[in-house]
Parts: sequence; structure tokens; C-alpha cells
Amino acid sequence: KQEVTQIPAALSVPEGENLVLNCSFTDSAIYNLQWFRQDPGKGLTSLLLIQSSQREQTSGRLNASLDKSSGRSTLYIAASQPGDSATYLCAVRDTDKLIFGTGTRLQVFP
Amino acid sequence: KAGVTQTPRYLIKTRGQQVTLSCSPISGHRSVSWYQQTPGQGLQFLFEYFSETQRNKGNFPGRFSGRQFSNSRSEMNVSTLELGDSALYLCASSPDGALTGELFFGEGSRLTVL
Repeated sequence: KQEVTQIPAALSVPEGENLVLNCSFTDSAIYNLQWFRQDPGKGLTSLLLIQSSQREQTSGRLNASLDKSSGRSTLYIAASQPGDSATYLCAVRDTDKLIFGTGTRLQVFP
Repeated sequence: KAGVTQTPRYLIKTRGQQVTLSCSPISGHRSVSWYQQTPGQGLQFLFEYFSETQRNKGNFPGRFSGRQFSNSRSEMNVSTLELGDSALYLCASSPDGALTGELFFGEGSRLTVL
């Protein structure tokens, strides 16, 4: 059974820092991995999608990597800003659904 | 281009009642899936529809059901509501339901059961 874990559960950093959020999964047989952002009381905003054949994806200050063999993905956020404060979720695509991690709650203070 | 639209955004029901939630996918998207989010269980898959057919179903009791219409809009229904059904219900759409496709989520419908 696929299990997805995110570490750390919470993170508080000053503005300007570079961050790394971690996501690990137990079964490497995935189709893709998707990173989302969720603001309090809101839905999910897709940040990056990495197909199983890819190693990384970049969008602006965000970079996500995928290592299927070790069951790991990292989300790198460069030069963090207060507006980046949110919960970040990773999800792996199984045969028929997304399986989500429990998320990392990020707070960036000025 | 409009995103995924879910209605209603908030609703309050009492135990034993039933509820119907609606989801309009992004124009042109044919696959709709539903997820339940609770503080204790996180995000869990409910079911997925593609071209009016349920393709997959998560591990939820039969009180949870859904359907998809010819215009790809989807509804989910929960009957005989229980306190534990209080959650944020999220709908996601993807263009063609491919296993490699990106999912786009709506803002959710927050259900409170009293």
C-alpha cells in the first residue's frame, strides 16, 4: 500500500531564506508526482507536476525534483516571501487516484 | 479560462439528512474526481468519473455516491449524514483522465454536520 510522508510537518523561517520541503513515498511504481499549495480554508493550487520519467521541474522560484528509485521528491523554494506562507502538499499518482502526504505548514515572517 | 467551480461553498446539515454537492470542471476537461479532506485523515480519494462513467472508487461507504453528466459536470451525494462526514469536499478535473495528467482543484465545499 502506497504511503506518502512529508517532513517537516511545520516550518517557520524569515523572509529571504531558501527552503527545502521533503516528500517520500513507499512504492516507486507511480505515474507522476504533483506538488500543491493550500491556503487556509481554500482549495489546492497546483504548483508543479513531475512525470515518472522526469527528474525535475521548475517554475519561477520553485524547483521540484524526483528520485523514483529512492522514493523521494523535494520542493525547493528560493528567496522565500511572506506570500509563500501556506500548507504544501505532495501527491503521487497511483493507478487510479492521487495519494496525498500530510503536508508541510510553512510560515515565512518578514 | 474559468477554473473548477464547486457549489455550494459552505453548508450546514443535521445528522440523518442528505446533501448534494456540485462540481463544474474546467471547460474541455472530461475527468472529474472527488476528495474528502479532514484534519484527522487528510485528503482521501472518493471517486473518479470520466465520460459519465465511474472509473474508480475509494474506500468509502455506499452512502457516498456520485454521477457525471454529459457536459462533464459532476455531483456527489451523501445520504444519512453522520457527524464524521463534516469535511472539506474537493473536486478536481483533468483534460482526458490520463494517468499522467495534471489535476486542477476547485475551492471546495465545506460541509458541517450537526
